[in-house]
Amino acid sequence: QKEVEQDPGPLSVPEGAIVSLNCTYSNSAFQYFMWYRQYSRKGPELLMYTYSSGNKEDGRFTAQVDKSSKYISLFIRDSQPSDSATYLCAMSANYGQNFVFGPGTRLSVLP
Amino acid sequence: GAVVSQHPSRVICKSGTSVKIECRSLDFQATTMFWYRQFPKKSLMLMATSNEGSKATYEQGVEKDKFLINHASLTLSTLTVTSAHPEDSSFYICSARETGSGGGYTFGSGTRLTVV
Repeated sequence: QKEVEQDPGPLSVPEGAIVSLNCTYSNSAFQYFMWYRQYSRKGPELLMYTYSSGNKEDGRFTAQVDKSSKYISLFIRDSQPSDSATYLCAMSANYGQNFVFGPGTRLSVLP
Repeated sequence: GAVVSQHPSRVICKSGTSVKIECRSLDFQATTMFWYRQFPKKSLMLMATSNEGSKATYEQGVEKDKFLINHASLTLSTLTVTSAHPEDSSFYICSARETGSGGGYTFGSGTRLTVV
């Protein structure tokens, strides 16, 4: 079993839809969780950063962490064509350590 | 916010030559920087952890003599691909986090290396 799993997609949604992106993981020691957005041929851009369980909201983005289920989600409300990108989840066990990436989900928001 | 500058963004080199990629944290100090390699439609693969003032830590399967890492200051890490071959063609990305910060990592914009 891979340490972090993520549906690679592609996921296509119409503009304005609510998008749900998810990752599951196997290492119960993970407690730092991040979501990155990566446009083609660019470096990843940090979207959300959460510690331990719970929800965090930033504009149209909401990150959820359920440590009991080893499951994290990123919701995008009122999706826009500019949200079309690959979304990577990442997580680590300890502060200062490098983190493990999911393979990424490719999202297309159609106008 | 924190900015990581990576240069060059794109480089084409002949087989057998060496290429140096720079990663700079522009407005913060980074004791640790990371170097990744990304294949098309694949996730990031950690190559090595670059530590300021000490030797880099390489991931299993990454050739130390081929991918030379130098982290001479708190704002600069370099990756040199030595004796490059076509199979080294890839997208290389660095990342860093401000020392003492609890936030996420900032990535450079990446370097597209093509070895011909």
